[in-house]
Amino acid sequence: NAGVTQTPKFRILKIGQSMTLQCAQDMNHNYMYWYRQDPGMGLKLIYYSVGAGITDKGEVPNGYNVSRSTTEDFPLRLELAAPSQTSVYFCASSYLGQFTEAFFGQGTRLTVV
Amino acid sequence: QKEVEQNSGPLSVPEGAIASLNCTYSDRVSQSFFWYRQYSGKSPELIMSIYSNGDKEDGRFTAQLNKASQYVSLLIRDSQPSDSATYLCAVLRGDAGNMLTFGGGTRLMVKP
Repeated sequence: NAGVTQTPKFRILKIGQSMTLQCAQDMNHNYMYWYRQDPGMGLKLIYYSVGAGITDKGEVPNGYNVSRSTTEDFPLRLELAAPSQTSVYFCASSYLGQFTEAFFGQGTRLTVV
Repeated sequence: QKEVEQNSGPLSVPEGAIASLNCTYSDRVSQSFFWYRQYSGKSPELIMSIYSNGDKEDGRFTAQLNKASQYVSLLIRDSQPSDSATYLCAVLRGDAGNMLTFGGGTRLMVKP
């Protein structure tokens, strides 16, 4: 099993550009999360999903959008990139959401210039 | 008040000592608590989970939970230089649709 796979690993965007960060899991997990981590800081939740077709805002959703059309995939869309979105983005998944651990992807390092 | 709070550190301990990491949370209905370790430039990895009041031991690691005080801690016995990392406390928040919320992390440095 691959676990949680994120692509790309690195990306440089210009201000105002848009992009989609891909996240896929092959563990049949119902919960999926997107976090961002700024240097020296903890993880801040952007969006999460408790199942296909259901998404909810986290702590810092502004400037991002998500969709969950399948159990496996949970892409994160950045519209009109800004320097404040320079960060490392982590996708995670877990089963049921209770009494289970979350597995993380390797992260995407995004720089907006 | 932040939902999950940790001292950012760094916490410096000598090799072989006990490292004690602390975390407080604000949601009284939370039931699931996790400790993750994150090495620099890597993704977080789970080292302990705890769901009931009391202690839970796994090798050199012991997690402690006190729901009345809304406090969870992680003890690392016989600390090794390889334990040097950032430790993230996470809470599955029952008041917020089961959002998995992280604290800011505590950086641990174990000196040989």
